[in-house]
Amino acid sequence: GAVVSQHPSWVICKSGTSVKIECRSLDFQATTMFWYRQFPKQSLMLMATSNEGSKATYEQGVEKDKFLINHASLTLSTLTVTSAHPEDSSFYICSSYDGGVSYEQYFGPGTRLTVT
Amino acid sequence: AQKVTQAQTEISVVEKEDVTLDCVYETRDTTYYLFWYKQPPSGELVFLIRRNSFDEQNEISGRYSWNFQKSTSSFNFTITASQVVDSAVYFCALRWNSGNTPLVFGKGTRLSVIA
Repeated sequence: GAVVSQHPSWVICKSGTSVKIECRSLDFQATTMFWYRQFPKQSLMLMATSNEGSKATYEQGVEKDKFLINHASLTLSTLTVTSAHPEDSSFYICSSYDGGVSYEQYFGPGTRLTVT
Repeated sequence: AQKVTQAQTEISVVEKEDVTLDCVYETRDTTYYLFWYKQPPSGELVFLIRRNSFDEQNEISGRYSWNFQKSTSSFNFTITASQVVDSAVYFCALRWNSGNTPLVFGKGTRLSVIA
């Protein structure tokens, strides 16, 4: 089956610093990638949708200047949390759509971010 | 708008008991997909099933079974003879027919199976 990887799997950073999370589709081309955020004991909430080569579309309430998403290639999307604060501590999960090959989306294993 | 409701926040059962996780959805779309995912403590989502809105056949996979009823907009999940390894958070999700639209998740049901 299709594989999506995320790196790092967990990261601890200090308040005020920026951290980049990578989402890679390893064996297929992802025309669309989604970024979700999951706070402890809560559900997954969509943050943004990115299409390769286009600007990301952010959900209401998600600051696009704080959560920078880049989908520069068909196999890689990055989420950069800028000037991170403790309230940004969360589990970030990406999913990738294979552009109609199987019409499926595949989830990455997630990245746990802790901001101290 | 699409919405998924999992009314059961937490369920605790004794090993070998059967347990049903409820899922009710709302959508105006006539074509859509329903999903169930398992999220163990590691956090990685484990895909369990996808069901097309036109396919109302119930499905059984080992100890797992799913009951899809469009008349009540429900897609319930039953684990038969539960095991400790079934302990996890289970999410029901809904997606429009097009693959490049995101999933809408319910709030999840935390299942604890006690030995």
